[in-house]
Amino acid sequence: DGGITQSPKYLFRKEGQNVTLSCEQNLNHDAMYWYRQDPGQGLRLIYYSQIVNDFQKGDIAEGYSVSREKKESFPLTVTSAQKNPTAFYLCASTWAADPYTQYFGPGTRLTVL
Amino acid sequence: EDQVTQSPEALRLQEGESSSLNCSYTVSGLRGLFWYRQDPGKGPEFLFTLYSAGEEKEKERLKATLTKKESFLHITAPKPEDSATYLCAVRAPGGDMRFGAGTRLTVKP
Repeated sequence: DGGITQSPKYLFRKEGQNVTLSCEQNLNHDAMYWYRQDPGQGLRLIYYSQIVNDFQKGDIAEGYSVSREKKESFPLTVTSAQKNPTAFYLCASTWAADPYTQYFGPGTRLTVL
Repeated sequence: EDQVTQSPEALRLQEGESSSLNCSYTVSGLRGLFWYRQDPGKGPEFLFTLYSAGEEKEKERLKATLTKKESFLHITAPKPEDSATYLCAVRAPGGDMRFGAGTRLTVKP
């Protein structure tokens, strides 16, 4: 069963903690993306990666970091430098044959305690 | 600056009451307009891609249309299971995707 998985579904973070959100895809997609969704706002791009070992900052990269060591995996770390991390985080991917259509994972809801 | 505006923010319909959702954009050189459906607490589900003015696409009770400035998502005879937030996104020539804030649709039985 092909798809994009994100884990955990819910995550709680204490002040000063770094946390890592997982995103895995078995669709053989080339590019992967991380978005943040806040109530009443459109999705905002955090980071994206077109190929392994390469990634670019999106509109709101400050306080976040990523890695792309494997084609199927694109974890996002929310660092303590991110002052307002409570949000719904969405991972997406695209494949080379249709690079414009993004397919999304189920999301991770991060809450700061 | 590229912008995407969706209206209305929320829409309540009776089952069977047809209506339309609007997505207006200010992107020059559109490289695609995308519609997604998002259920509460879940990731967006891809519905349609439109590339040029005049293009239309249909899926069950949904029909998406595109002009040079806006797109409409027409919902014909909606059912309660059509209740969701509908997101619109546009891709600019640089490759960036810009998302609207969505329209929250509620269909009452």
